[in-house]
Amino acid sequence: GAGVSQSPRYKVAKRGQDVALRCDPISGHVSLFWYQQALGQGPVEFLTYFQNEAQLDKSGLPSDRFFAERPEGSVSTLKIQRTQQEDSAVYLCASSSWTGEQPQHFGDGTRLSIL
Amino acid sequence: GENVEQHPSTLSVQEGDSAVIKCTYSDSASNYFPWYKQELGKRPQLIIDIRSNVGEKKDQRIAVTLNKTAKHFSLHITETQPEDSAVYFCAASEDTGNQFYFGTGTSLTVIP
Repeated sequence: GAGVSQSPRYKVAKRGQDVALRCDPISGHVSLFWYQQALGQGPVEFLTYFQNEAQLDKSGLPSDRFFAERPEGSVSTLKIQRTQQEDSAVYLCASSSWTGEQPQHFGDGTRLSIL
Repeated sequence: GENVEQHPSTLSVQEGDSAVIKCTYSDSASNYFPWYKQELGKRPQLIIDIRSNVGEKKDQRIAVTLNKTAKHFSLHITETQPEDSAVYFCAASEDTGNQFYFGTGTSLTVIP
């Protein structure tokens, strides 16, 4: 596709449910990043990133309830188990080429609300 | 690791005036500095970037300056318009993995 695509655009879940958020990066982009942004356009907080299928850094994942994968080096899924109210946020995905000094291209994000 | 600080957190200017947002970074190895604009409910979009071998870059009403010695870079918007109202994020990148370290954002309001 022409840009980074994320789905669903909005997700409402009850506390304790599991959710899965999908990111489809720009074709050919080796690097893929997940960020969390507080509702109301707060800071962009790093969660994790991939080079192809390898997860190189997951230091930003807030707890072991958060899990990300990119099994074939393209589409990525961010999974949150046993959701809590504090998980309510916008989850942004971005992709870029591997070489440095290149911009990251963002998707529209998934707005997650936990009731 | 890298630490990026951004100031101010909020900024209000009259239409037609200039706006300046400043960022500092800690790692001298950082070599790429993009700026993103995020309108309410939209994705962050790249508006300008600068690489470490350049001191200044301009694109119409937007300019970015970089001082590698002092480890700071700034976004300058001239002749501001209401549609410039948004949250602006700076970032720094230091390696070929292209991992970004973001500032905390500046909410710019242009008053008509």
